[in-house]
Amino acid sequence: SYELTQPPSVSVSPGQTATMTCSGDNLGDKFISWYQQKPGQSPVLVIYQDSKRPSGIPERLSASKSGNTATLAISGAQAMDEADYYCQTWDISTNVVFGGGTKVTIL
Amino acid sequence: QVQLVQSGGGVGQPGRSLRLSCEASGFTFSNYLMYWVRQAPGKGLEWVAVISDDGSGKDYADSVKGRFTISRDNSKNTVFLQMSSLRVADTAVYYCARDREEGGHTWDFDLWSRGNLVTVSS
Repeated sequence: SYELTQPPSVSVSPGQTATMTCSGDNLGDKFISWYQQKPGQSPVLVIYQDSKRPSGIPERLSASKSGNTATLAISGAQAMDEADYYCQTWDISTNVVFGGGTKVTIL
Repeated sequence: QVQLVQSGGGVGQPGRSLRLSCEASGFTFSNYLMYWVRQAPGKGLEWVAVISDDGSGKDYADSVKGRFTISRDNSKNTVFLQMSSLRVADTAVYYCARDREEGGHTWDFDLWSRGNLVTVSS
């Protein structure tokens, strides 16, 4: 079955840039989406098709993909950015696949 | 207001059944694929099921295949998840979610319900 791998946690100081990765086989052939989930809340789509932002998502959140690794970056990190972030894709073997999630902490 | 409002769930015993409902409003429900996604306590997200816009196509995660059934009633703007032969491992918050693209099939989700906790315990 297909898997996406994310680091469990990332820490960043306020105002700095937080980056987190999502890796998987043949990721170049797939679209990656990213979701933000704050404690006790439902997930929110923040990136789709590798790097596109839905309306209402700040430009501080950006994403890219290179080879088998996708990256989500949060520039000018703020307390409001503390959340779990999940990458997600589709694979013919398992349909929808989520990464294990990365917990972002603003120090 | 564009939203998904869930009902149902609660506590069920192993081997028994529960049903979740998710009512949509504020958009043309019959133009969208709909999904169920769950999240076990303290764990990550897990896709459960998908249903096509007209209800003719359905698919399931291996972990629930043969036990859960997704369905929809477009006249009532509602999608359902019938959960049978429940297991303790099915304990999770269950979300319904909408496909990002109207009339399309993107396999990502731009609208989520608030989620309902389903607890399977004897």
